[in-house]
Amino acid sequence: DIQMTQSPSSLSASVGDRVTITCQASQDIRKYLNWYQQKPGKAPKLLIYDASNLETGVPSRFSGSGFGTDFTFTISSLQPEDIATYHCQQYNSLPYTFGQGTKLEIK
Amino acid sequence: EVQLVESGGGLVQPGGSLRLSCVASGFTFSNYWMSWVRQAPGKGLEWVANIKEDGSAKYYVDSVKGRFTISRDNAKKSLYLQMNSLRVEDTAVYYCARDAIYYYSSGSYYKRLDYWGQGTLVTVSS
Repeated sequence: DIQMTQSPSSLSASVGDRVTITCQASQDIRKYLNWYQQKPGKAPKLLIYDASNLETGVPSRFSGSGFGTDFTFTISSLQPEDIATYHCQQYNSLPYTFGQGTKLEIK
Repeated sequence: EVQLVESGGGLVQPGGSLRLSCVASGFTFSNYWMSWVRQAPGKGLEWVANIKEDGSAKYYVDSVKGRFTISRDNAKKSLYLQMNSLRVEDTAVYYCARDAIYYYSSGSYYKRLDYWGQGTLVTVSS
């Protein structure tokens, strides 16, 4: 199975900050990576697909990049409503696997 | 509006069984793969299983192979997860998700779990 290592596991930042989360795959997954946002008690919501494509309706302050084994998720200017846990997920091969999640808090 | 509504969760003893259901609306259910994803309390997401549009192909994570069975009824727009020989470590919120594949004009593709239900809690405890 492909292991996804996400870092950091938690992050505290101020409103307006640029926030970056990384996800590293244990083997080459080409561009086959998605990012999800999960608010407490809610289901995950797709934000970024295919490593860098913004899902319809998602604010442009969210972005993704990367290819191969190293991927980055960025919030360009943190807003209070962005408080959530963020998960990466690879779909290069089954089983789909997720990173352990990054819990984002407001400082 | 796409909606996925799970049901069937509850408290069960180790070794017991439970059947989860997920009813879909707002899209042509028979045109999509579907997945089950679970999340243990305070933990990350774990993909459990998926099933092809017509039910002819099914895949599972190793930890549930031989114990869980995914199925679907396209006429009822419903997805199921039959869970047998349940273990304490199966305790989780179980989500159904639309497992969509899309093709670029170049022929390459991308996949996404693009719609999720609200989840149903399964607790395995004596």
